[in-house]
Amino acid sequence: GAVVSQHPSWVICKSGTSVKIECRSLDFQATTMFWYRQFPKQSLMLMATSNEGSKATYEQGVEKDKFLINHASLTLSTLTVTSAHPEDSSFYICSARELQGYNSPLHFGNGTRLTVT
Amino acid sequence: GENVEQHPSTLSVQEGDSAVIKCTYSDSASNYFPWYKQELGKRPQLIIDIRSNVGEKKDQRIAVTLNKTAKHFSLHITETQPEDSAVYFCAASQGGGGNKLTFGTGTQLKVEL
Repeated sequence: GAVVSQHPSWVICKSGTSVKIECRSLDFQATTMFWYRQFPKQSLMLMATSNEGSKATYEQGVEKDKFLINHASLTLSTLTVTSAHPEDSSFYICSARELQGYNSPLHFGNGTRLTVT
Repeated sequence: GENVEQHPSTLSVQEGDSAVIKCTYSDSASNYFPWYKQELGKRPQLIIDIRSNVGEKKDQRIAVTLNKTAKHFSLHITETQPEDSAVYFCAASQGGGGNKLTFGTGTQLKVEL
């Protein structure tokens, strides 16, 4: 089945620094990837839709200058948390659909646990 | 946009009993409804999904029902086992590869021995 790989699985950084998270579709091409954030004991909240070769679409309330998304190829999307602060500490998960154009299962990466100290 | 509500937030059942989780959605254009199981600290895993042209779907001990008129869908787990303990999320989307999933708030299921 489709595999989405996410790296790193966890990261600890100091307040004010930036962190890059990679999301790769290993055995399929994804023109669209989705970035979610999940706080403890809460649901998955969509942050942005990453579009290959074009700008990402951000959800209301998500700062595009703080959460930089780049989708430079059909198999790689990156999320950079810039000037991270403790309130950015969360579980970030990327996802992609193996088949584009109609409803097909959304496959998730393993997630990245970000802790900002 | 779409809004998905999920109930209950926690559910405790005895091993062997059935568990039912219910969700409602707001956007009548939604036509794809997956269910995910998430264990602590891990990625959500798709366990079953249903499309709007189907009213019910079953896969071994898991079944999902959809009522388009009422805009609600339910997950049914029969003969529950301890390994079924996890957080379950329902979701809805309008279809298309670029269309996003909106998730429910999650149900913590605990199967007790």
